[in-house]
Amino acid sequence: GAGVSQTPSNKVTEKGKYVELRCDPISGHTALYWYRQSLGQGPEFLIYFQGTGAADDSGLPNDRFFAVRPEGSVSTLKIQRTERGDSAMYLCASSFLGGNTEAFFGQGTRLTVV
Amino acid sequence: SQELEQSPQSLIVQEGKNLTINCTSSKTLYGLYWYKQKYGEGLIFLMMLQKGGEEKSHEKITAKLDEKKQQSSLHITASQPSHAGIYLCGADVGQGAQKLVFGQGTRLTINP
Repeated sequence: GAGVSQTPSNKVTEKGKYVELRCDPISGHTALYWYRQSLGQGPEFLIYFQGTGAADDSGLPNDRFFAVRPEGSVSTLKIQRTERGDSAMYLCASSFLGGNTEAFFGQGTRLTVV
Repeated sequence: SQELEQSPQSLIVQEGKNLTINCTSSKTLYGLYWYKQKYGEGLIFLMMLQKGGEEKSHEKITAKLDEKKQQSSLHITASQPSHAGIYLCGADVGQGAQKLVFGQGTRLTINP
């Protein structure tokens, strides 16, 4: 596709439920990043993939959060036993090779846990 | 914790006026990125600066990185309603170029 695609654009879920957020990066981009943005704040790093492997997952807040990228393209961010504090905008970005090249962001998934 | 400070946090200017947004770090920046975000949407890449003293321009927006590579400014000339939005600076602070630390953002409003 022309840009980074994230689905769904909005997700409302009940506390305790499991959710999956999908990111489809720009074709050919080997690096993929997940960020989380709370209202009125800048994005915070969650996890970075180079190819299929998670090169850096130090930003994941706890073991309820997990992300995969099995074929080195589409990635899924999975959140178990959601809590109200997980409510935020989840942003995905991709770049070519990673490193000092600009990252292109998707439109984000707004997650609301009620 | 935030390692980048943006100022001001919000800015209201009259259409046609010039404005400047600043981004400051206590650490050396290895790459400085400026993004724009419409409320509730994703980030749009504006410019990337890497070298001390570097300056880049695109249309009416100019970004600079100081010689010490600890401060960047974004300057908009003759502002237009289309410039309204949230401006975010993001930087590689040496933790790995793939992990950006962002400032809290500057909300820009343009009054007609």
